[in-house]
Amino acid sequence: QQQVKQSPQSLIVQKGGISIINCAYENTAFDYFPWYQQFPGKGPALLIAIRPDVSEKKEGRFTISFNKSAKQFSLHIMDSQPGDSATYFCAATWGGFQKLVFGTGTRLLVSP
Amino acid sequence: DAGVIQSPRHEVTEMGQEVTLRCKPISGHDYLFWYRQTMMRGLELLIYFNNNVPIDDSGMPEDRFSAKMPNASFSTLKIQPSEPRDSAVYFCASSERVSLAEKLFFGSGTQLSVL
Repeated sequence: QQQVKQSPQSLIVQKGGISIINCAYENTAFDYFPWYQQFPGKGPALLIAIRPDVSEKKEGRFTISFNKSAKQFSLHIMDSQPGDSATYFCAATWGGFQKLVFGTGTRLLVSP
Repeated sequence: DAGVIQSPRHEVTEMGQEVTLRCKPISGHDYLFWYRQTMMRGLELLIYFNNNVPIDDSGMPEDRFSAKMPNASFSTLKIQPSEPRDSAVYFCASSERVSLAEKLFFGSGTQLSVL
C-alpha cells in the first residue's frame, strides 16, 4: 500500500512534443506528491510538487495533473527539449510518514 | 553552500572486502537519508537519521550494512563483507527540519561495483 506505480518505464518524444508520465498510488493518506528529475551521474533533484487540494500545478513547461478520486497523478512536459532528457521519478508521502516513497522512474529521451 | 557531498564518486572492490561510503549533508539540515538505486528496484530508502540519531533502518538489507552519523556534518554507510549484489549507486540526501520530505537534496552518489 506504500507503493507508487509509475509508467512508462521509458519514453521517446520528439523535440517540441508533449511528454506524459503517469503515477498511481493506493495509500489515501498521501498528501504530498513531488516529481524529481535526475540527469546521468547526478542525484535526483526536486522538479515540481503538488498537494491534493488542487487538481493542477504548472511551473513553466512542467505541469502536474492530479486526480484524487482515481488516485493518480501525472507529469506533463510541454514543448519537450533535448535538455529535458533525464530520468523522472514520482514520489509520495504524508505528513507523519517522514519518508518519501519513490516510483520506479521513467527514462525520457527527447530526440532533436 | 556546496550541497550534499559524497565520497568516493566511484568505488570498485572485490567480494568480501569492506566498503565505506561517506556523506557530508548540507549545513543546518536535520535529516539525513541513505538511498540505494538499481535498475531493478529503483530508489530504495536504506536508513534515515534525525539530529544524528537513526530513526528508521528498516530498509537496510542485511546485517552486512551499517550506518553511522557521529556528528551533524558527517555520515558513513559501511558494507562488510561486500557482495556482487551490492553493486549499485548509493545516494545520500538531506533535508531541513521544517520541510522534511518536501525537498530532499541529493548528493551525486557513489557508484559501487563489487567484483
